[in-house]
Amino acid sequence: IQITQSPSSLSASVGDRVTITCRASQGLGKYLHWYQQRPGSAPKLLIYAVSNLQVGVPSRFSGSGSGTAFTLTISSLQPEDFATYYCQHSYSAPYSFGQGTKLEIK
Amino acid sequence: EVQLVESGGGLVQPGGSLRLTCTASEAIFSTYNMNWVRQAPGKGLEWLSYINSDSTTIYYADSVKGRFTISRDNAKRSLYLEINDLRAGDTAMYYCARDTGFHNWCDPWGQGTLVTVSS
Repeated sequence: IQITQSPSSLSASVGDRVTITCRASQGLGKYLHWYQQRPGSAPKLLIYAVSNLQVGVPSRFSGSGSGTAFTLTISSLQPEDFATYYCQHSYSAPYSFGQGTKLEIK
Repeated sequence: EVQLVESGGGLVQPGGSLRLTCTASEAIFSTYNMNWVRQAPGKGLEWLSYINSDSTTIYYADSVKGRFTISRDNAKRSLYLEINDLRAGDTAMYYCARDTGFHNWCDPWGQGTLVTVSS
C-alpha cells in the first residue's frame, strides 16, 4: 500500500487553519493514524483510527476521511504546533508512513 | 503508562552487525505487540518491523528483509532488532513503539537510539 502525503511543507501563521492530506493506493478503513514530531524528539501520537483524538491532545486537532483520502486539520495554529506531521497506515504489513509535512511559521 | 527505552546504538563500521534493545518498564510487556521504526538524519519515518506478543507473527519492510531480525524476551521485558551487514544507509535513529489498539497505532514510543555506520 502506497501512502502519499501532501504538502511536504507548509508555511502558516498563528491562528491559521491548516489541512494536511494523506492518500492511499487502496482503502484503509480505520487503519490510518497521525503523529507529530518536534525537532530532537520522538514522534507522538495525535489521532488514531482516522478521527480519534489521543488523550491529552488539544481539541484544535481533528482527523477525518474515509476510503483512500484522509485529512488532519488544525483549526487555529498555536506556536507549539510548528512541527512535522506524519500519517501512517496499519491496514496490512508492511505498514508505512507518509513522507511528512513540515509546518513552519510564516 | 509503559515507558520504553532503547539502547545498543553507536558507531559501527560498514559490514558490521549490531543488536538494538528496547526495554519496557512494565512486566505486562509480555502482552504487547511491538514495532521498530527508524529515521535517517533529516528524513522521514520508516517502519521496519513488527512482532506480536508471543513471537508467532513477524513482519518486515521489504527494504530490510533478510538483514534485520526482530525478536523479544518477555521474561526480560525486552525487544530486540539485530542488524547485519550494516550500510551507510542504515545510519538513523531507531525507535521502538508499542502496537496499540484494534487498529494497530504506535503508542507510546521510546526516545530512540542512534546508529551511525561509518569507517
